[in-house]
Amino acid sequence: DAKTTQPPSMDCAEGRAANLPCNHSTISGNEYVYWYRQIHSQGPQYIIHGLKNNETNEMASLIITEDRKSSTLILPHATLRDTAVYYCIVRRINNDMRFGAGTRLTVKP
Amino acid sequence: KAGVTQTPRYLIKTRGQQVTLSCSPISGHRSVSWYQQTPGQGLQFLFEYFSETQRNKGNFPGRFSGRQFSNSRSEMNVSTLELGDSALYLCASSLDGGGNQPQHFGDGTRLSIL
Repeated sequence: DAKTTQPPSMDCAEGRAANLPCNHSTISGNEYVYWYRQIHSQGPQYIIHGLKNNETNEMASLIITEDRKSSTLILPHATLRDTAVYYCIVRRINNDMRFGAGTRLTVKP
Repeated sequence: KAGVTQTPRYLIKTRGQQVTLSCSPISGHRSVSWYQQTPGQGLQFLFEYFSETQRNKGNFPGRFSGRQFSNSRSEMNVSTLELGDSALYLCASSLDGGGNQPQHFGDGTRLSIL
């Protein structure tokens, strides 16, 4: 399975965009990039996923580079409630998800 | 639409006992996966069930087992509990477990072993 590399922590000012990077240089052609977040004592919350194209939903945008070796999760207007651990996962078809250590995002007032 | 429901939320057991955890997936979801989360090891995959059959398995000892019923509800059993089994156990469901289908997680069962 492809491994992911994320910075251990990041800060963001409330109201600004939060850009969370992820490197997945060994990703294969049939592997999806998934993003989840986890707030203390809750289960991981699905945010967004993509294969090749950029994706956007009501929560976030996902930008995947053309060579698919890295991606960026964008939270357009971060709020205090976005403070959480964010996980970037590369997932094969019909395979489990291997979570890394994630990025601890702290949104500050 | 109701989310993934896990019961109980908290459980305290002693070494050597066994425990059964329950997971009700989102209505219509047929794939159920189980994960263990600890501060030291993070989130680790236990196994996945689809149509009452175990389809994938992580690297855990045979003391960890599971099953899925015809209504897609799933149970996980841990026998001969050890102190190291103290963890948050998470269940996730998806439509069919395919790579393009997001898994949706419950809030877990926190198991403490004394």
